[in-house]
Formats: sequence, C-alpha cells, structure tokens
Amino acid sequence: KAGVTQTPRYLIKTRGQQVTLSCSPISGHRSVSWYQQTPGQGLQFLFEYFSETQRNKGNFPGRFSGRQFSNSRSEMNVSTLELGDSALYLCASSLGTEQGYEQYFGPGTRLTVT
Amino acid sequence: AQSVAQPEDQVNVAEGNPLTVKCTYSVSGNPYLFWYVQYPNRGLQFLLKYITGDNLVKGSYGFEAEFNKSQTSFHLKKPSALVSDSALYFCAVRDIGNNNDMRFGAGTRLTVKP
Repeated sequence: KAGVTQTPRYLIKTRGQQVTLSCSPISGHRSVSWYQQTPGQGLQFLFEYFSETQRNKGNFPGRFSGRQFSNSRSEMNVSTLELGDSALYLCASSLGTEQGYEQYFGPGTRLTVT
Repeated sequence: AQSVAQPEDQVNVAEGNPLTVKCTYSVSGNPYLFWYVQYPNRGLQFLLKYITGDNLVKGSYGFEAEFNKSQTSFHLKKPSALVSDSALYFCAVRDIGNNNDMRFGAGTRLTVKP
C-alpha cells in the first residue's frame, strides 16, 4: 500500500499570502489529522477530519482551516501568513479515531514564510 | 484537556545497554497511548500503542512499553539499545470519551553511543 503523501514538500511564501497544502491518506483510511511541528513548540494538533466532517480542532487561530473530500483526501489552508507560521506541517491518516487506531504520517510540507 | 509530558529532552545510552524513555500523561477519560519515532528528515513512524488489556505492550524494532495507571505513565523501553535507535521519540495520548484528539509530548532525543 502506498503511504501518506503530502504536496508540495517544500514551499516558500511571503507574509500576507495564503497557502494550501494537500494530503492523500492511505487507501481505506477515512480519518486525516494535521499537525504543526516547530523546534520550539513541538508537535501541535491542528484539526482532525473523519468522513468529510471536522471532528476536533486544536488551539489555532481562524486563519488555519481545512477540509476533507469524499475520497478522504484533505487540504489545509493558511491565510494571511505570518513569519511564525514557518514550520513542518504533518498530515496523518488512520482507519478511525475512537477505536484507538494508530496514525500513519506523511513526510510533511516544509513551509517557510519570509 | 489532556496533556503529555516527556520529562527528559535528551537520553544518552551506550550500545547494548537497556534504554528507557519516560512519558506521563493526564486525561479526563480513558487514555489511548502511543509511541512514535522520528528519524532525521523523515516522518513519524508508529512504534506501539496501549488501548486496553495487558499493561506491557510490545512493538516494532524490539521496543516495549508499560502502562501504569496509578502513576499515569507509559514509559518506552528496550532491553539492548542499538546505535540505529538514535532518533526523536514522541509519546502521544488520545483522551477517549472527552475530546478525542491526539496530543503529543515535546519529544525526547535518544542518542545511542557505540
């Protein structure tokens, strides 16, 4: 089975711009989660989707949004980029949430905001 | 809200010696506990999980972890460390019955010296 794929792998944007990141989960996985990883804050939960519905949301401003499509692929969008948004954005997929399924992570998208 | 603490930023062990990476958690409901490993320039990989049942769980690459409910701990262990075990290790908890989202610890960098 193919793993979780994320596109693009690297991105450079300017403050004030917006960005869309994409994630394709493992075939058959219906849950997709997004995380922000930075050296200072570690891994922070952004949001989780299951069957096109947002199930949980972390403590991030409204500039961060996401969605999930009927084929389970997910996108996250960050509007009005700030320098502090520079991070590795990780996507993870799993079969579900409440059943204790483990998450499988993609390689991440490295976003640099200048 | 749930939280995870990894009290050691760095753990150093000699090859062949046993290793322990510590994790404590705080949840309102029942915990689902996970360990992940991140090798340089790679995504997170699932190691093992505790959902229910036997407190000692075994995972990939010879790792195991013991769930201790009274001490709210889930320490990762390996009887004999390898140089190739050197990586960043993350403990994570999903608070079932509460908000269900996955929260990660800050990570512990394990260095195994030959």
